[in-house]
Amino acid sequence: GAGVSQSPSNKVTEKGKDVELRCDPISGHTALYWYRQSLGQGLEFLIYFQGNSAPDKSGLPSDRFSAERTGGSVSTLTIQRTQQEDSAVYLCASSLHGTYSNQPQHFGDGTRLSIL
Amino acid sequence: ILNVEQSPQSLHVQEGDSTNFTCSFPSSNFYALHWYRWETAKSPEALFVMTLNGDEKKKGRISATLNTKEGYSYLYIKGSQPEDSATYLCAFVGGTSYGKLTFGQGTILTVHP
Repeated sequence: GAGVSQSPSNKVTEKGKDVELRCDPISGHTALYWYRQSLGQGLEFLIYFQGNSAPDKSGLPSDRFSAERTGGSVSTLTIQRTQQEDSAVYLCASSLHGTYSNQPQHFGDGTRLSIL
Repeated sequence: ILNVEQSPQSLHVQEGDSTNFTCSFPSSNFYALHWYRWETAKSPEALFVMTLNGDEKKKGRISATLNTKEGYSYLYIKGSQPEDSATYLCAFVGGTSYGKLTFGQGTILTVHP
């Protein structure tokens, strides 16, 4: 498809397990962003990639969170030893360029993560 | 910590009413201001990206203005329709990181038929 694709759309897992979330951006978009929305909260920036490098990862809440992007395309967000406070909707977005964010971002449908 | 505030938090209007809401952001180190519409069960959709003080943008019945010197942007909807019901988000780009969007909490608009 032409849009940003995220998988899985829903993930339920037990506390302490690791999870991997995937984002496939729009072809040709060099910038890729991860956000999350916890219950009752606004959209929270996690990390952004320009190509394969991450100039700003200041939003990652702890060292249990990591992300990588390969081939300037697909990105995975990994959460190790999940905690209940990690439950949220994780959104991915891409844009043509990211170094100076004057390009609109195109969002995927998100992954709803529930930690039991 | 960058503070991006949106008001009101929620708004109920009747079909045909015109409405507007506000986004306040830091007036220093400004680079860009984004507006998005987020309908229930869908993904956020870009409305506008504004970079110049005094900028005005329009898309159909929706328009936005930008004042970077005083740190605010207004979003206007003329002749609201039920399909305009959504959460409207603004996001600030600036400070020390030009790749990062800092979002406000959003304004939830409900348009009653």
